[in-house]
Parts: sequence; structure tokens; C-alpha cells
Amino acid sequence: NAGVTQTPKFRVLKTGQSMTLLCAQDMNHEYMYWYRQDPGMGLRLIHYSVGEGTTAKGEVPDGYNVSRLKKQNFLLGLESAAPSQTSVYFCAISPLLSNYGYTFGSGTRLTVV
Amino acid sequence: SQQGEEDPQALSIQEGENATMNCSYKTSINNLQWYRQNSGRGLVHLILIRSNEREKHSGRLRVTLDTSKKSSSLLITASRAADTASYFCATENYGGSQGNLIFGKGTKLSVKP
Repeated sequence: NAGVTQTPKFRVLKTGQSMTLLCAQDMNHEYMYWYRQDPGMGLRLIHYSVGEGTTAKGEVPDGYNVSRLKKQNFLLGLESAAPSQTSVYFCAISPLLSNYGYTFGSGTRLTVV
Repeated sequence: SQQGEEDPQALSIQEGENATMNCSYKTSINNLQWYRQNSGRGLVHLILIRSNEREKHSGRLRVTLDTSKKSSSLLITASRAADTASYFCATENYGGSQGNLIFGKGTKLSVKP
């Protein structure tokens, strides 16, 4: 079992280009999250989903959109990339029950030039 | 917004020594969690302590929680070079969205052989 798989692992975009990051899980967890990690800033929540067909905004949602059409997949889209979106993006999952830790993917390193 | 604040930001010790990291937070919590991140990798869940617990152990890890002081500590005993990583605390806030963790900025631990 892979747990949480993120694709791609690396990407370089030009300003204004669009792309979609894919998070796929095989643990059948209800909750899925997208975080970004910047030096000195820790992890900040972008968007999250509490189940198939639902999404909600996190702390830093501007410039991103998400979709959860299937329970196992959570997509993060950048419609018009900006240099400020250069970051490492992590997907995480957690089960429906509370008081459980998250399982993280290995990350996507995105550079916008 | 950052909830947990780890202290120190960086810690360098010799193999075999104990490492202590602290985390302070601001609001009431359901639980507090500690994660490890090796360089260039995703976060790995280490341990979760609920708000009604005061101490928890897992192998060489010992976590304490003082809700009156809104603080937690992570102790790694008999450290090894393989413990070199960044350590993050994360809080699930009371009354907040279930599973919506807020991460601190991390403590970078270096264990020298």
C-alpha cells in the first residue's frame, strides 16, 4: 500500500501557466488536505475536504482551487501561477474519527519563474 | 494563523544525549500531535496526546501536555544520528473543524555521531 501518492514530485512553471496537483490515497480515509510549506513558515492549510464532493477553504486559499470528485482523489489546481506560489505542497489524509494523526504524501516541489 | 510555536528553533546534540523540544499554543485544544520531517520528505506522525492526558510514551519518545500553561514537550531519549530531522507540533483546536490541524514552524534537530 502506498498510503498517499502525490504527482508530480517536481514541476517548474512559468508565471501565468496553470497546473493540477494530484493526491491519491488507498486508505479509504474521509478527510483530505492540501498544505503548503515555505521556509520559516511551517505548514499552512490551503483547502481541505471532509468527504467526496465537498471542499472547504483553509488559511491560504487564494489562487488555488480544489476538487474531490472521487473519495480517493483530491486535486489542487493553480489557474494562473505566480512566483509567490513557489513552495512545497503536501497532501495529507485522516480518518473520520477524531484523535488520529495525519498521513502525509511525500510532497510536490513547485517552482514558478 | 500559527497556533503552535516550537522552541528552540534549532537544537544540536551528540548521539546518546536526550533532546527536548517545547511547543506552546494559544487556544483550547482537543489534542496535540508531534510530527517528524526528514529533509526533503513528508511529515510522519509520531505521537498524539489528548487534552485530558498529561503524559504519553512511545518507544524513546515521551510527550507531556500542560493545558493550564498551554504547552507541550517532546523528549527523545538516547538520541541517534537517524533522529536528525525537523520536529513539528500541531494542534487540533477545540470547537474547530474536526481534523483541522494547525502546525507550528518546527524545531530542527541535529544529532552528531
